[in-house]
Amino acid sequence: GNSVTQMEGPVTLSEEAFLTINCTYTATGYPSLFWYVQYPGEGLQLLLKATKADDKGSNKGFEATYRKETTSFHLEKGSVQVSDSAVYFCALISGTYKYIFGTGTRLKVLA
Amino acid sequence: NAGVTQTPKFQVLKTGQSMTLQCAQDMNHEYMSWYRQDPGMGLRLIHYSVGAGITDQGEVPNGYNVSRSTTEDFPLRLLSAAPSQTSVYFCASSYSGPRGGGGYTFGSGTRLTVV
Repeated sequence: GNSVTQMEGPVTLSEEAFLTINCTYTATGYPSLFWYVQYPGEGLQLLLKATKADDKGSNKGFEATYRKETTSFHLEKGSVQVSDSAVYFCALISGTYKYIFGTGTRLKVLA
Repeated sequence: NAGVTQTPKFQVLKTGQSMTLQCAQDMNHEYMSWYRQDPGMGLRLIHYSVGAGITDQGEVPNGYNVSRSTTEDFPLRLLSAAPSQTSVYFCASSYSGPRGGGGYTFGSGTRLTVV
């Protein structure tokens, strides 16, 4: 079946450090891939998405590239800020209107 | 403000009690879903709806009931609360389904504790 695997957290970084959060997936067909962010006390917000192989999604300085050969969709940001502290969820949808979410990765950025 | 509104934000129930979690959206979205979020397990789909009068089960439907009489509202009913239903519940909606450009819009959640 379809599944998403994210790296275990928490990830703790200093401000302006480079961020990578790994995400790999298993899916039949050609899934669309998403990153959502959840700030404390809030619901999830769509951060970026990619719908086909080699697509790059980007938003707010975050990027992720859909790599079909490695079944990956790693989230990156060149310089993180304290305000980026949140939980990040990788997700996919394949052939249905139901999301499959990863377990989430908590990011803590220190000033 | 346009969006997904969930009520209540917090609720404590005794085992065996029933209650309804409310979800309303004013964006004319056809697709609506309920998820529960538990530590270390991400979000799991409880029930979803692709339009008024149409609902279906997700991964973890047992103990929950839904109906969709209008496009705007998608309430989630707990029939007889159990401690295993202690969780944070999120309602989400989408105009064209998750494949659409905007993805899902999530409410801010209901934190439910069953004692």
